[in-house]
Amino acid sequence: SQTIHQWPATLVQPVGSPLSLECTVEGTSNPNLYWYRQAAGRGLQLLFYSVGIGQISSEVPQNLSASRPQDRQFILSSKKLLLSDSGFYLCAWSVGGGRNQPQHFGDGTRLSIL
Amino acid sequence: AQSVTQLDSQVPVFEEAPVELRCNYSSSVSVYLFWYVQYPNQGLQLLLKYLSGSTLVKGINGFEAEFNKSQTSFHLRKPSVHISDTAEYFCAVTDSWGKLQFGAGTQVVVTP
Repeated sequence: SQTIHQWPATLVQPVGSPLSLECTVEGTSNPNLYWYRQAAGRGLQLLFYSVGIGQISSEVPQNLSASRPQDRQFILSSKKLLLSDSGFYLCAWSVGGGRNQPQHFGDGTRLSIL
Repeated sequence: AQSVTQLDSQVPVFEEAPVELRCNYSSSVSVYLFWYVQYPNQGLQLLLKYLSGSTLVKGINGFEAEFNKSQTSFHLRKPSVHISDTAEYFCAVTDSWGKLQFGAGTQVVVTP
């Protein structure tokens, strides 16, 4: 069966520090991968998605970037964090190639910026 | 463009009472609809999905939803809730590119 792992579960970082969040998927090949942010009391905002290695689409201009160095690895990064980057970050995957495929989510990373 | 409206931001309900969470969508293409549940400090878990066929869809944990094309709705129901159903529920629709558009969420609070 397929599984998705995100780490770390929680992270406290000072303003201006770098960020790297990692997500890996097991049990499937060539998945679509997604990064979402969920701010307190708000819905989910899609940040990035990827349909293949090295292919990244950005949904909103921001202080973050994403990379997909391997088929089942998706990384969210920042060179210098801002206070507004605080939130709950969720990685998700879906089977590639179809609009009718549900997304499956990891357990999330709670990021607090001080 | 696709969009999703969840009409209630919070729904209080007593244990063993029924609950209905309302979801309306707009879409210019054929729709695929989903309900997700999020427990505190966890990711989203798929409750059920409508892809085609029967308009009444049954999901996990005793939830069901009915797709109504004429009313562009996909309301979620459970006949008898438990304390453990306290969570946030998200309705979502796929857009023409296959990306999910989420509603703002409905917080369900179950009290004894």
